[in-house]
Amino acid sequence: QKEVEQNSGPLSVPEGAIASLNCTYSDRGSQSFFWYRQYSGKSPELIMFIYSNGDKEDGRFTAQLNKASQYVSLLIRDSQPSDSATYLCAVSADGGSQGNLIFGKGTKLSVKP
Amino acid sequence: DGGITQSPKYLFRKEGQNVTLSCEQNLNHDAMYWYRQDPGQGLRLIYYSQIVNDFQKGDIAEGYSVSREKKESFPLTVTSAQKNPTAFYLCASRWADRERGNTEAFFGQGTRLTVV
Repeated sequence: QKEVEQNSGPLSVPEGAIASLNCTYSDRGSQSFFWYRQYSGKSPELIMFIYSNGDKEDGRFTAQLNKASQYVSLLIRDSQPSDSATYLCAVSADGGSQGNLIFGKGTKLSVKP
Repeated sequence: DGGITQSPKYLFRKEGQNVTLSCEQNLNHDAMYWYRQDPGQGLRLIYYSQIVNDFQKGDIAEGYSVSREKKESFPLTVTSAQKNPTAFYLCASRWADRERGNTEAFFGQGTRLTVV
């Protein structure tokens, strides 16, 4: 069974701090990695995607991927109360019959003013 | 506007009834997915389809059925065999492989199903 593991939290950080969210996955054939943000009662929205080892930065968000350790993380700099949400890690082996997209259970982030 | 549309937004089912949730996309995506989300939980994969007329079971397919007769449409039927169907159902679509484009999934707005 392919698995994606996340710490369920809640993770509480003060406003302006860095929030660090972590995710591990079991399938070494995984090629694509995604972070989604989900507000309560809403559908998930994409924050970041990363395909290659290393860091990828987009504004206040940085995704980090280490395929050897089967680990992907999301850093949120200068956290804002509006960042309070559940963050879902998703992993996929692209193409052919390997195209299922597996989500972790999510980490709930709370940013305190 | 391109997007993925789920309907209805809210659905009530009586015990023993089958109900069908609609999912339509005009993004020309190959792959479509159905997920179930229970309160405070992550997304669990019910079924997915990479191509028309083909679909695969996910982790919790029992009590559900799907069809993929058109590329744009991937309806989910919740049958009476699903004993605990009350949940938030999410449909998603994406390219099947990265040669076609970035493979992030786009979600519909969800259908909240309640058994009454």
